[in-house]
Amino acid sequence: GAVVSQHPSRVICKSGTSVKIECRSLDFQATTMFWYRQFPKQSLMLMATSNEGSKATYEQGVEKDKFLINHASLTLSTLTVTSAHPEDSSFYICSARGDRAGANVLTFGAGSRLTVL
Amino acid sequence: GENVGLHLPTLSVQEGDNSIINCAYSNSASDYFIWYKQESGKGPQFIIDIRSNMDKRQGQRVTVLLNKTVKHLSLQIAATQPGDSAVYFCAEIQLYAGGTSYGKLTFGQGTILTVHP
Repeated sequence: GAVVSQHPSRVICKSGTSVKIECRSLDFQATTMFWYRQFPKQSLMLMATSNEGSKATYEQGVEKDKFLINHASLTLSTLTVTSAHPEDSSFYICSARGDRAGANVLTFGAGSRLTVL
Repeated sequence: GENVGLHLPTLSVQEGDNSIINCAYSNSASDYFIWYKQESGKGPQFIIDIRSNMDKRQGQRVTVLLNKTVKHLSLQIAATQPGDSAVYFCAEIQLYAGGTSYGKLTFGQGTILTVHP
């Protein structure tokens, strides 16, 4: 139970294009979703927190116009990397917090690997 | 953006040995800690958690120890198996810093565990 799906799992794009990554909670309603970025052989760094129906809260140093986050429903949040450049190549991971059968859940997606050429 | 960070420490063990992975956490106000396992190309998987009012918790083959005096966590894996090879991260949360803080994890550096058959 408490499954989070991320799509796509891998994406390659040209420099200057925009890429959208989806994060879905499949069997619970996610009131909050978190987006992390992970560079190779490094830890996960929180980029932003999004609550359904409101604007995302970005961590210091993360450009909100570069990384657009939309959390329009209780089961879907999207991260759009706008005008992607090679330095944006990374592993992007979401996690979703919500309630399932009366218990707090916090589950991670499988991640999306972005390669910008 | 600039990518500055430390590479992960490594731990190599023989199959059947016990493994101890250590983590120093940063916030003395954190009241909940989680250990995650991350396999290559995948998102973090929950292993075990512990609240700050405990100093030890045991699961199946795993034990987490918490020393709040020195802000240190350890994960002990008994009879380590090749399938345990992965990167292990500790994460900390302040549960009661505010209603929306649950789920906002701060990850530790991580340790690469390699188990040799």
